[in-house]
Amino acid sequence: SQQGEEDPQALSIQEGENATMNCSYKTSINNLQWYRQNSGRGLVHLILIRSNEREKHSGRLRVTLDTSKKSSSLLITASRAADTASYFCATALSGNTPLVFGKGTRLSVIA
Amino acid sequence: DTEVTQTPKHLVMGMTNKKSLKCEQHMGHRAMYWYKQKAKKPPELMFVYSYEKLSINESVPSRFSPECPNSSLLNLHLHALQPEDSALYLCASSQVGLAGLVEQYFGPGTRLTVT
Repeated sequence: SQQGEEDPQALSIQEGENATMNCSYKTSINNLQWYRQNSGRGLVHLILIRSNEREKHSGRLRVTLDTSKKSSSLLITASRAADTASYFCATALSGNTPLVFGKGTRLSVIA
Repeated sequence: DTEVTQTPKHLVMGMTNKKSLKCEQHMGHRAMYWYKQKAKKPPELMFVYSYEKLSINESVPSRFSPECPNSSLLNLHLHALQPEDSALYLCASSQVGLAGLVEQYFGPGTRLTVT
């Protein structure tokens, strides 16, 4: 299956700590995206990392991609209670195949 | 305007009802999507429209009927649904392009309950 598998499934941390979520996938991909979803709401795009990139930053977010290990990680630094959400990685095979979302990590940041 | 709107926010319908979900965007996006999401699961793609034409149907039962009347609107017509169809239905839009390269913008969803 192309679908990514996030790890851990759930993560609970204190405000101010860093949160790391991992995504592993099974097939070769061109690019990988990360999305955030607050409870019962729509998804919000966070970052896209291309297959020829190894690391990308956006504010407090740092994403890495290791195509040899078929894995990506999302690091949120100095977490805030507002970061509490589910985080999904999403991948698409080459060509015009649709985006497929991983199973997600539920992050709880406790104030 | 980077917003995708969906109506209604909540919908309760019986198995014999006919209802419609609506989605609207004014970002000039020519690709629009319907997803179904069960609790604690990822969104699952149902349909993709590209330039107002249905380009992907992920083997969705015929009791779900999509419609794209113009480049800003996307509807999902519901008829004779089953209780297992209860879920959050998400609409999204994006520029047309390779799926891995385009950012999708999501609406807040319609929470559907089938009784």
